[in-house]
Amino acid sequence: AQSVTQLGSHVSVSEGALVLLRCNYSSSVPPYLFWYVQYPNQGLQLLLKYTSAATLVKGINGFEAEFKKSETSFHLTKPSAHMSDAAEYFCAVSHTGGFKTIFGAGTRLFVKA
Amino acid sequence: EAGVTQFPSHSVIEKGQTVTLRCDPISGHDNLYWYRRVMGKEIKFLLHFVKESKQDESGMPNNRFLAERTGGTYSTLKVQPAELEDSGVYFCASSLDPRTVTDTQYFGPGTRLTVL
Repeated sequence: AQSVTQLGSHVSVSEGALVLLRCNYSSSVPPYLFWYVQYPNQGLQLLLKYTSAATLVKGINGFEAEFKKSETSFHLTKPSAHMSDAAEYFCAVSHTGGFKTIFGAGTRLFVKA
Repeated sequence: EAGVTQFPSHSVIEKGQTVTLRCDPISGHDNLYWYRRVMGKEIKFLLHFVKESKQDESGMPNNRFLAERTGGTYSTLKVQPAELEDSGVYFCASSLDPRTVTDTQYFGPGTRLTVL
């Protein structure tokens, strides 16, 4: 069985500060891991995806995430927050040939001026 | 290229009524998925179509929910009769082939359903 836990339903940072959104997963098979972002009144947009190649995955808008098998973590980071990063972020897990994506509960990111 | 579209964007109905949600996938995407997010909780998988066939409907809550994809193009999700706990945001996604490493699910904006 697969599951995802996102630590913190709300995270607030100042503009220019480091963004760190935490995600831990559980999977009995090698996982595919994802981060999606949802801006207000829009659909989910894929930020980045891990598929067992490089453990450090770079995504769009300056975000990246590192797969750490020993910690079963896939935390999302961005060195410098921008006001436009304010949105809800979802971590998700799937596996090769798996059609079903399992999502975490989401973390809402607030960016203060 | 048009993305995944969903209609309506919002629906408010009374308990016991019927509602039909529609999803138009990206052209050429054989795989179509329905997900639901209830009350700020996690987004949960409902079912998966490959063309017109249901590949996996393990996430469908109960028999009040009926999904169809006639002709393998757009899909509908009918809730009949609707209950209060059905309120939430229903997302549709489509993809080319989930068996490949490069496959990506593209999501629509969702339909927000409110049952009063």
